[in-house]
Amino acid sequence: EAGVAQSPRYKIIEKRQSVAFWCNPISGHATLYWYQQILGQGPKLLIQFQNNGVVDDSQLPKDRFSAERLKGVDSTLKIQPAKLEDSAVYLCASSSTRTMTSEVGRVRTVIKQYFGPGTRLTVT
Amino acid sequence: GIQVEQSPPDLILQEGANSTLRCNFSDSVNNLQWFHQNPWGQLINLFYIPSGTKQNGRLSATTVATERYSLLYISSSQTTDSGVYFCAVDTYNQGGKLIFGQGTELSVKP
Repeated sequence: EAGVAQSPRYKIIEKRQSVAFWCNPISGHATLYWYQQILGQGPKLLIQFQNNGVVDDSQLPKDRFSAERLKGVDSTLKIQPAKLEDSAVYLCASSSTRTMTSEVGRVRTVIKQYFGPGTRLTVT
Repeated sequence: GIQVEQSPPDLILQEGANSTLRCNFSDSVNNLQWFHQNPWGQLINLFYIPSGTKQNGRLSATTVATERYSLLYISSSQTTDSGVYFCAVDTYNQGGKLIFGQGTELSVKP
């Protein structure tokens, strides 16, 4: 099974320029996530798609960031214009969902996220 | 929102040593996961462990949901264990959105 693909792997741009990242999720995964990981921190969710609809974009800086998943498969994340503080690794993940029942009869939804290799962005 | 705190922030071990990493979370969770991020940035899931104990080779994890913490044990550490270990939680009705801790950076010396 192919994993989550991302491109480019590295990108260096000057501030105020624009940049776009691409993600191809695992085949059949309806949910796609974009995370931003600043050096020394854990990843932070930017936007979550279910098929081609947005589920959560509460932490996406909408004045400069945009994302789309037009056909419910591939996704692009764009930054325009970039700022120095946008330097980070941008991780794409996709997920499948299954329901498990524990020994005591408790139903739990297990959402397995699979991460791509990330795109390392440097803004100078 | 829920807070996830990991300790220690960094750890240096000699090859063959054992270690324990801790994750505290501030509210009840649907699931808790441990990830290893290798030096090339790839995040690999180690455990899904909302409660109880699981073992996979030299790694094991325990989550005590009632006390809101999880522990990751690494035994007989190897240089390939180096990297950053993240704890991440998802809460009920949040569609799988993961909240990550700040990570523990582990360096295993030969």
